[in-house]
Amino acid sequence: GAGVSQSPRYKVAKRGQDVALRCDPISGHVSLFWYQQALGQGPEFLTYFQNEAQLDKSGLPSDRFFAERPEGSVSTLKIQRTQQEDSAVYLCASRMDSTKETQYFGPGTRLLVL
Amino acid sequence: SQQGEEDPQALSIQEGENATMNCSYKTSINNLQWYRQNSGRGLVHLILIRSNEREKHSGRLRVTLDTSKKSSSLLITASRAADTASYFCATHSGNTPLVFGKGTRLSVIA
Repeated sequence: GAGVSQSPRYKVAKRGQDVALRCDPISGHVSLFWYQQALGQGPEFLTYFQNEAQLDKSGLPSDRFFAERPEGSVSTLKIQRTQQEDSAVYLCASRMDSTKETQYFGPGTRLLVL
Repeated sequence: SQQGEEDPQALSIQEGENATMNCSYKTSINNLQWYRQNSGRGLVHLILIRSNEREKHSGRLRVTLDTSKKSSSLLITASRAADTASYFCATHSGNTPLVFGKGTRLSVIA
């Protein structure tokens, strides 16, 4: 389909491992967002890209979290030295551009850190 | 941090009944949006209401906004089993990111 896709859908990591989560936004969408959703909670903003520029990373919880979107399309969220509190669903959303208000979400990557 | 707070946290109704969920928030907003999330899935945008609007309809959905009380409600009429999901409000202020509430878990029993 033409929606936002994320991979992997599920990831189990041992504490201390590095993980990389991928997001393929809707083709042509300029804006891309990453959110973290803990169990039973609403999504919390992590970071925002407009094309390849990371305009807001105020929600990244620590310097172990890093996101990139080098060519302005696919984005990768990397978590280094994972810890148990990183266990959550990581959601990616894209938006046509900054003049539009609707974000389209992917299915998420469920990360479990043991 | 989460600005919106939905209430109730969980709601269980019979098919055909109406479901009402409320959202309260803390700061002034440009718009408020409602999203649905089915178990294990991403969020689906349902409806957006701007700060200068008081009510909006979309199919079986009716949203109200009271900026003086900093609150919104989502009404789903004639509910169906397929409406079973979590519902989140999200507020947008200025250039800040969307801020989501904790959600209401709706169960519609056939």
